[in-house]
Amino acid sequence: AQSVTQLDSHVSVSEGTPVLLRCNYSSSYSPSLFWYVQHPNKGLQLLLKYTSAATLVKGINGFEAEFKKSETSFHLTKPSAHMSDAAEYFCVVSDQGAGGFKTIFGAGTRLFVKA
Amino acid sequence: GAVVSQHPSRVICKSGTSVKIECRSLDFQATTMFWYRQFPKQSLMLMATSNEGSKATYEQGVEKDKFLINHASLTLSTLTVTSAHPEDSSFYICSARGGSPLNTEAFFGQGTRLTVV
Repeated sequence: AQSVTQLDSHVSVSEGTPVLLRCNYSSSYSPSLFWYVQHPNKGLQLLLKYTSAATLVKGINGFEAEFKKSETSFHLTKPSAHMSDAAEYFCVVSDQGAGGFKTIFGAGTRLFVKA
Repeated sequence: GAVVSQHPSRVICKSGTSVKIECRSLDFQATTMFWYRQFPKQSLMLMATSNEGSKATYEQGVEKDKFLINHASLTLSTLTVTSAHPEDSSFYICSARGGSPLNTEAFFGQGTRLTVV
């Protein structure tokens, strides 16, 4: 069965410092992994995705994530936080399992950026 | 990426009435569509999965008679909240997936904010 664990419910950083949002997953099959961002009262925006190609994935707005199969992790990073990065971030896993295709969301991590 | 359009973006309805939310894939054929519900400050919870031309599969705890899902064509799925109550107020998001059965990416609509008064 699939599962996604976002290890931090809240992360607070200062503007200009690095961002690390942690995500671990479990999947019985070859999963695809995604990070989405949601600003208050808005829909979802895809930041980046891993679909069995390069393990280091670069996304929009300077974000990137590395798929580490041995650690079952897909942590999201950014070298330098900007105030506009403050939002909710969701790690998502999709795969075609015995129960059919499913997409499972993590619980989300709220990123706060201090001036 | 592919575009999924969800309508309306916001709706306010009276308690006891029904509300229909549409989810359309604009530039691809969506063999599978998904409906999610998001409570304030929480993650998205999968409500149901629908395949074109067949009945939706509901997740445990989701009332299928309350949340009617129709996926009559490869580009349109609808979610109808019947006899809405204030506790149904929430953010509803659809996603659509098409192409190869091996395709594991789904594309999301912008969501519908439902308020029942």
